Amino acid sequence: AQSVAQPEDQVNVAEGNPLTVKCTYSVSGNPYLFWYVQYPNRGLQFLLKYITGDNLVKGSYGFEAEFNKSQTSFHLKKPSALVSDSALYFCAVRDITNAGNMLTFGGGTRLMVKP
Amino acid sequence: DVKVTQSSRYLVKRTGEKVFLECVQDMDHENMFWYRQDPGLGLRLIYFSYDVKMKEKGDIPEGYSVSREKKERFSLILESASTNQTSMYLCASSTQQGGGEKLFFGSGTQLSVL
Repeated sequence: AQSVAQPEDQVNVAEGNPLTVKCTYSVSGNPYLFWYVQYPNRGLQFLLKYITGDNLVKGSYGFEAEFNKSQTSFHLKKPSALVSDSALYFCAVRDITNAGNMLTFGGGTRLMVKP
Repeated sequence: DVKVTQSSRYLVKRTGEKVFLECVQDMDHENMFWYRQDPGLGLRLIYFSYDVKMKEKGDIPEGYSVSREKKERFSLILESASTNQTSMYLCASSTQQGGGEKLFFGSGTQLSVL
């Protein structure tokens, strides 16, 4: 079985400050990990993914995420938040032993960036 | 850019009605998915399809069925709508190349069942 947890329903940060959105996962094998973002009244958009290799993954809009196998975490980060980053963020996981292409999503974290 | 189009942005139906949600993608993707999104629960997979006329149950298939007669179109059917099916429904597609995990989503259909 595969699962993912996003422990914070909402994260508040001031514009220009660094931001972190947390994600932990559980898989029986090795994980493929993803972040998606949902802007108001729009569908989800792919941000970044970790498949293998470097633990620090860079994605769209200046976001990056760090894979930590020992802590089973894949936190999303950005050095300097923008008001336009305010959105709903979803972490997702797939166990590489999962024959299908089924992703399991977390409950989502709402990021609010205040001017 | 990939475009995934869902036929309705908002839909209001009555309990017991049969409801059709339509999704069309224009990138010749093999995989198509239907999710429902509820606050605090994230996205839950209802059904998915790897090919024409093929379908697989996701995590919450009860009360739903799907149809994929053409590669570009994936329909979600609520046989007899109930109030607990009020939700945001998201369609997505992906290619099977490269692991297929990069999903392209439609804008969603907010369904209200009264």
